[in-house]
Amino acid sequence: KAGVTQTPRYLIKTRGQQVTLSCSPISGHRSVSWYQQTPGQGLQFLFEYFSETQRNKGNFPGRFSGRQFSNSRSEMNVSTLELGDSALYLCASSLWETTQYFGPGTRLTVL
Amino acid sequence: DQQVKQNSPSLSVQEGRISILNCDYTNSMFDYFLWYKKYPAEGPTFLISISSIKDKNEDGRFTVFLNKSAKHLSLHIVPSQPGDSAVYFCAASRGGGSNYKLTFGKGTLLTVNP
Repeated sequence: KAGVTQTPRYLIKTRGQQVTLSCSPISGHRSVSWYQQTPGQGLQFLFEYFSETQRNKGNFPGRFSGRQFSNSRSEMNVSTLELGDSALYLCASSLWETTQYFGPGTRLTVL
Repeated sequence: DQQVKQNSPSLSVQEGRISILNCDYTNSMFDYFLWYKKYPAEGPTFLISISSIKDKNEDGRFTVFLNKSAKHLSLHIVPSQPGDSAVYFCAASRGGGSNYKLTFGKGTLLTVNP
């Protein structure tokens, strides 16, 4: 069974731009979560989607948003990019509310 | 407020010996705990988990111990191999549904020397 896939793997943007990241979960998984990893803050929870509904949200500003489609694929969007948004963005999927399986991540660099 | 803490940023062990990685948590509502291994430029890989109704779970060379009264868990790797060298993250979650999210520690870099 294929794992979690994320596209693109690397992205360079400039301040003020917006970006959309994509995640395809493991087949059959309906829950998709997003995390941000930075050297200073570690892995931080952004939000979780289940059956196209956002069920849980972390402590990030409204510039960070997401959505989930009927096939469970998910996208996250960051508007008005700031230098501090440079990070590895990780998507994870789960079958039931237990173990999450992570994708390889998207490395976003904001210049 | 850091609810999951891994107080050792790094650990170095010899090949064949035991590696013990520690994790403490403060939120007594956490009821499910996981360990992930991460290589640079890759996503975390799930290793092993434990529910709060258990105090030990074993999978091959990996064993996780949970001490609820101390709010402490540990991951034992026996025997350690050079391929185990990576950053290890402890994570915790509570309940499910709208509460489901993972709270991670900051990680411990394990180096296994040949």
